Amino acid sequence: DTAVSQTPKYLVTQMGNDKSIKCEQNLGHDTMYWYKQDSKKFLKIMFSYNNKELIINETVPNRFSPKSPDKAHLNLHINSLELGDSAVYFCASSRGSGAGRGGYTFGSGTRLTVV
Amino acid sequence: QKEVEQNSGPLSVPEGAIASLNCTYSDRGSQSFFWYRQYSGKSPELIMFIYSNGDKEDGRFTAQLNKASQYVSLLIRDSQPSDSATYLCAVRTGTASKLTFGTGTRLQVTL
Repeated sequence: DTAVSQTPKYLVTQMGNDKSIKCEQNLGHDTMYWYKQDSKKFLKIMFSYNNKELIINETVPNRFSPKSPDKAHLNLHINSLELGDSAVYFCASSRGSGAGRGGYTFGSGTRLTVV
Repeated sequence: QKEVEQNSGPLSVPEGAIASLNCTYSDRGSQSFFWYRQYSGKSPELIMFIYSNGDKEDGRFTAQLNKASQYVSLLIRDSQPSDSATYLCAVRTGTASKLTFGTGTRLQVTL
């Protein structure tokens, strides 16, 4: 059983389109995250939810909208995709709202390519 | 100044040698420190975490933390070709759950 699963694994789409990425974790964790990893491998946090409540919202264009229907799921919707959105998007989860106990468990990533 | 800094490498070590990976962080209030390994095209996986000053050993890996110098390192003993990957340092500050990552150091273990 995959602990943190993301779909799709690859996403190729045209500029201007709207797309969604889904994430599910079966670890019983309370907190979930979206990170973006650019071409230089830099991992930057975008959003975090704790028990369906948004607790971290970094400086991200409002074309990006996260949604957490329950604590096991976190989705990311992106409107009006731009070339600069091309990256790998990782979902992660952790126990409690402090990552201090054991860090994060990451999903396998979604490679988004905007053409 | 970046919040978490690492030398991007590549750091090249021969098989069987000790690899030393270093990380500095800017926020003196940082509390928890993590090392992740990321193979090319894969997701980061946690290999070590440390909270207190000093050394923490787990198998071939040793994490070292010096809060006064705002420095954390990872030593890999008896390096193997399978250790070739990018190693990401991550730091948690305050009560927020956010981990801030460095840009990673690419390690190459040569035969």
